[in-house]
Amino acid sequence: QVQLVQSGADVKKPGASVKVSCEASGYTFTGYFINWVRQAPGQGLEWMGRINPNTGGTIYPQKFQGWVTITRDTSINTAYMEVSRLTADDSAFYYCARGTASHTFDLWGQGTLVTVSS
Amino acid sequence: QSALTQPASVSGSPGQSITISCTGTSSDVGGYNYVSWYQQHPGKAPKVIIYDVTNRPSGVSSRFSGSKSANTASLTISGLQADDEADYYCSSYSASSTRVVFGGGTKVTVL
Repeated sequence: QVQLVQSGADVKKPGASVKVSCEASGYTFTGYFINWVRQAPGQGLEWMGRINPNTGGTIYPQKFQGWVTITRDTSINTAYMEVSRLTADDSAFYYCARGTASHTFDLWGQGTLVTVSS
Repeated sequence: QSALTQPASVSGSPGQSITISCTGTSSDVGGYNYVSWYQQHPGKAPKVIIYDVTNRPSGVSSRFSGSKSANTASLTISGLQADDEADYYCSSYSASSTRVVFGGGTKVTVL
């Protein structure tokens, strides 16, 4: 069926990096953007950027430029989001979401909990 | 501080109608018909219930409806049911470098 399946929960130390994967199935991977959204515990949603799987082109809001990197591997229909220089404030659920041309996120992954702790 | 402003909480009794507002600027909500609404139950991923201001995805109840006036979008839930108790987020395309902005979320409580 049409779905996005993310990698499992992860625990990292401050200063480390984390890479979360998002595998698409049931639709043409290169036909839709893949976005990343994070949600700190008890907080709201925050858009982190997106990739065009067809071209590899990426867009990041200014806040995440330079320390978030989104990539993709079209051979396995998978997108990745890497966050570097982690701090405790980066402890959150990270979601991938399929994006349409009108910037609607119409399909979401199950979320990946990243905990940053010494 | 979120780019779009939503009330923190809204409540209603079963069967009533409630409306959640989402206020932005002419650079986002007011400038484009790219407003979406998402429902998120505890421990679950968000789910789109309204897109392009007024459209409902297949399978979403007709009790959910969206509208927009100037820089404010609104989500109305009619015939409130117990399962509607959740967090609701609006989002919009933004002409700024941010591209996509979210509201801070509204917790809906069914009394």
